Amino acid sequence: AQTVTQSQPEMSVQEAETVTLSCTYDTSESNYYLFWYKQPPSRQMILVIRQEAYKQQNATENRFSVNFQKAAKSFSLKISDSQLGDTAMYFCAWRYSGGGADGLTFGKGTHLIIQP
Amino acid sequence: NAGVTQTPKFQVLKTGQSMTLQCAQDMNHNSMYWYRQDPGMGLRLIYYSASEGTTDKGEVPNGYNVSRLNKREFSLRLESAAPSQTSVYFCASTQTAENSPLHFGNGTRLTVT
Repeated sequence: AQTVTQSQPEMSVQEAETVTLSCTYDTSESNYYLFWYKQPPSRQMILVIRQEAYKQQNATENRFSVNFQKAAKSFSLKISDSQLGDTAMYFCAWRYSGGGADGLTFGKGTHLIIQP
Repeated sequence: NAGVTQTPKFQVLKTGQSMTLQCAQDMNHNSMYWYRQDPGMGLRLIYYSASEGTTDKGEVPNGYNVSRLNKREFSLRLESAAPSQTSVYFCASTQTAENSPLHFGNGTRLTVT
């Protein structure tokens, strides 16, 4: 079974700083997708960024970027110029790309607090 | 475009009571999912449905049943609620394509006393 590990239960940084959230995963598959979701206090689950495992180039979405290291099975999220609205739970997730519909496997989450 | 709609938003049950959580999506997605979220545990898959007429167990199916009523609707039923089922429940849907993200409803907070 696939597992996703987020080793930082909580992080706190000052506004405008850069912060990196770590995620590692364990799988024997070679084709898969990785995602980061944000969950603010409203409880909504919001897709932040996704990465295809076959792509070497790291995905970026505005202030959000990933550092994808396939050999190390690592998928960290970097948030640049952090804002108060970035305060949320962040979940890393994995999905097999070989067919089937068995959804995402999630990590336990990192609670990110942006201090003013 | 409503996306994924879950009802109710909040529910309190007594041990042994039953209830059904409703979920509907209007994005013409084939696959639908039920997750539960507990503090420090992330989201865990309860059941999923790859297409209309099919359902499969996820990681934590015990104590739950599901029905894929049609392509739009996927319900989760607790036949005899237990305090261990106190949780936040999320419904999600996606296209079959593997790089498609899951689209989530806003969740149901269930408390079983």
